Amino acid sequence: ELQLVESGGAVAQPGGSLRLSCAASGFPFDNYAMFWVRHTPGKGLEWVSLVNWDGSRTYYGDSVKGRFTISRDNSQNSLYLQMSSLRLEDTGLYYCAKDYGDSQYYYMDVWGTGTTVTVSS
Amino acid sequence: SSELTQPPSVSVSPGQTARITCSGDTLPKTNVYWFYWYQQKSGQAPVLVIHKDNNRPSGIPERFSGSTSGTVATLTISGAQVEDEGVYYCYSTVSSVIPRGMFGGGTMLTVL
Repeated sequence: ELQLVESGGAVAQPGGSLRLSCAASGFPFDNYAMFWVRHTPGKGLEWVSLVNWDGSRTYYGDSVKGRFTISRDNSQNSLYLQMSSLRLEDTGLYYCAKDYGDSQYYYMDVWGTGTTVTVSS
Repeated sequence: SSELTQPPSVSVSPGQTARITCSGDTLPKTNVYWFYWYQQKSGQAPVLVIHKDNNRPSGIPERFSGSTSGTVATLTISGAQVEDEGVYYCYSTVSSVIPRGMFGGGTMLTVL
């Protein structure tokens, strides 16, 4: 069964850092691009970041560019999101999601259940 | 505010047809956009119900369909069921060259 399990969510102070992880199973992880998407109180669902199958290409939403870093370890079937310079507006539920696998377009087909990040002083 | 505009809520009675729109009127017309729809029930992860404008993933009931005209997409649920209640998000992306995607603000569908 395909499964994505996020972890690492916690309470952090503004300006602080967190590292989120996503453990994947049930599919050939190194065949697919992967996403981080968040659900925040202010904006609903927000596209955060995307990494291609081998980690050589990464993309970021405007609100996190320069502060967050996406990476993956295909040997461990794991996806990561290093979050730094955290802001209050980064508070939300962070989902890891698998790319559908279309060769031309990136979109999510399976999502994890999320991990909660709270930025508060 | 989102580049994709959805109505905040839609309400229908069981068995009626529910239509949820997603307008990308502010999107640059020089690109070609594909639209996708996700259903999120309370406390659960989003589920893909329509991809590439009008395609249903396996396991999604036939009552779910999608259509697009230019930069306006519509999700139609023909004969909505109580179990279809939830928040529906549209999503759009341009291509693998411009991979950043965008979500609509979400529409709460009530079936009662």
